[in-house]
Amino acid sequence: SQTIHQWPATLVQPVGSPLSLECTVEGTSNPNLYWYRQAAGRGLQLLFYSVGIGQISSEVPQNLSASRPQDRQFILSSKKLLLSDSGFYLCAGLRGTNYGYTFGSGTRLTVV
Amino acid sequence: RKEVEQDPGPFNVPEGATVAFNCTYSNSASQSFFWYRQDCRKEPKLLMSVYSSGNEDGRFTAQLNRASQYISLLIRDSKLSDSATYLCVGDAGNNRKLIWGLGTSLAVNP
Repeated sequence: SQTIHQWPATLVQPVGSPLSLECTVEGTSNPNLYWYRQAAGRGLQLLFYSVGIGQISSEVPQNLSASRPQDRQFILSSKKLLLSDSGFYLCAGLRGTNYGYTFGSGTRLTVV
Repeated sequence: RKEVEQDPGPFNVPEGATVAFNCTYSNSASQSFFWYRQDCRKEPKLLMSVYSSGNEDGRFTAQLNRASQYISLLIRDSKLSDSATYLCVGDAGNNRKLIWGLGTSLAVNP
């Protein structure tokens, strides 16, 4: 089975500060990996996905970037946070579309 | 038109009630469908996959109607612990990502 590790659970950052959220995967190799954001009371918005090392697809233009330096590591970054970057960030892995996603426990980011 | 649409609710039902959620999808190439459950301030968790023949897991039954492009979830004998948001999900037809509905909120009341 696949386990997604994500940290920290909560984060409060000032506007203009950098961000780095890390996600690691256990239990499978070469998974598709995803970063989602969920604003309060809203649906899941796909930010980035990666089908392999160094391969990043961006779904929406924004203030964030993603990198996949290793097969089981997926990083979400920003050079300068905006207030609108606040939300619940979720990393997910997909073994195949027959199995659905497995999610990490999420990071609740508040930009102040 | 959204690719996956759900009635946002909220559905307020008494304990023991039967409740049904429907979800429609627009991508006829989608093959895999799921229902997820999300509790407040938590990550979504897989509730069940949805198969063409329909499938049941305890009090939960999922159905897929490809001709009409909709998926349903039936919850029988609702429990207080069933209160959550239920997310309908379908694949994008390219084996790379899933498309999410916005969720249906369920509150089961004593």
